[in-house]
Amino acid sequence: DSGVTQTPKHLITATGQRVTLRCSPRSGDLSVYWYQQSLDQGLQFLIQYYNGEERAKGNILERFSAQQFPDLHSELNLSSLELGDSALYFCASSAGTSGKGSYEQYFGPGTRLTVT
Amino acid sequence: QQPVQSPQAVILREGEDAVINCSSSKALYSVHWYRQKHGEAPVFLMILLKGGEQKGHDKISASFNEKKQQSSLYLTASQLSYSGTYFCGTYRAFIEGGSNYKLTFGKGTLLTVNP
Repeated sequence: DSGVTQTPKHLITATGQRVTLRCSPRSGDLSVYWYQQSLDQGLQFLIQYYNGEERAKGNILERFSAQQFPDLHSELNLSSLELGDSALYFCASSAGTSGKGSYEQYFGPGTRLTVT
Repeated sequence: QQPVQSPQAVILREGEDAVINCSSSKALYSVHWYRQKHGEAPVFLMILLKGGEQKGHDKISASFNEKKQQSSLYLTASQLSYSGTYFCGTYRAFIEGGSNYKLTFGKGTLLTVNP
């Protein structure tokens, strides 16, 4: 158990809908990351928050947005869902963030999103 | 730019050794290694930093050639529990000299250890 929690575990929804994925980082971790994992694209970095502020943005679509709240939990919002958005979405947390990349990331169990 | 991992898959018998390679075309600040078992989340194994510092697993070793932007993960005397997909992640700035960084993962190497 990494100490990172994600809800829900599974989500099935229709195209065009909007969903919210939730993540609680390990106790004391300030940095939260979101990743999308699909069979053909592998593990893709979406976005990072550090202590409530957006820190880095990766391959995140404009239909997706995220935020980190004062209690450090984070939410990933996915809207106008398409079939291709079906994937496993992981949240990870780390104690900090650095230019050296010296902080290991702890991954939550993931949310499996199926868009029908 | 996604790092390139090789081999894509390897099958071992318990007790055999394996090497997984990871290379990047861009200058790196560090290399991270994670293992993911089927249906589970990736689990941290090691970080290799520029300058030789390492953090992580005491039963798995790795190297980082900063000049060549290459890293290798060495799995010796493999155990059944080593089975899984190994991902290397390369950590670098979005823009050279910038202050925003990201971890980009390779496509993974599927390791199967049989009895």
